Amino acid sequence: DTAVSQTPKYLVTQMGNDKSIKCEQNLGHDTMYWYKQDSKKFLKIMFSYNNKELIINETVPNRFSPKSPDKAHLNLHINSLELGDSAVYFCASRLGLYNEQFFGPGTRLTVL
Amino acid sequence: SQQGEEDPQALSIQEGENATMNCSYKTSINNLQWYRQNSGRGLVHLILIRSNEREKHSGRLRVTLDTSKKSSSLLITASRAADTASYFCATDVNYKLTFGKGTLLTVNP
Repeated sequence: DTAVSQTPKYLVTQMGNDKSIKCEQNLGHDTMYWYKQDSKKFLKIMFSYNNKELIINETVPNRFSPKSPDKAHLNLHINSLELGDSAVYFCASRLGLYNEQFFGPGTRLTVL
Repeated sequence: SQQGEEDPQALSIQEGENATMNCSYKTSINNLQWYRQNSGRGLVHLILIRSNEREKHSGRLRVTLDTSKKSSSLLITASRAADTASYFCATDVNYKLTFGKGTLLTVNP
């Protein structure tokens, strides 16, 4: 059973398009995260939700909008995609606020 | 801003040898965590050490934490080719994990 899953695994799109990435966890966790990993493997937190409430909102362009319909799902919508948005996006979850995190397999986004 | 800094950036050893990676950070932490990432895959949690702990073991892994020096180390004993991966430390502060740039470990068979 997949603990944290993301769809799609790969996303290739043109500049200016709008796209969404979905994340689901079946671990019963109450906190979920979105991270961006750039080409140099630097992993940076973007957003976090705890019990469907936004608790972390880093300095991210407002073209990025997270949405958590329930505790098991956290989606990421990106408007007006730019070349610099090309990266691998990881979803993660954990129980509570200070335990280990479980990561999804990542979504490789390529903007042409 | 970046919190943890791993050292070295890259490490190449022979199978059976031990590998030591270090992590330094700047502010007080709730806990410090180590993760492994195989090429093209997601991160896998290895060990979490809380700020009031000094050492933790898990199988062939040993982690130490020195809060006075704001540093941690990860020791992998009797390394295997399958240990080849990037290793990241992450500091847990204000509900947020902040990752370092990682150490790329290559274990040669």
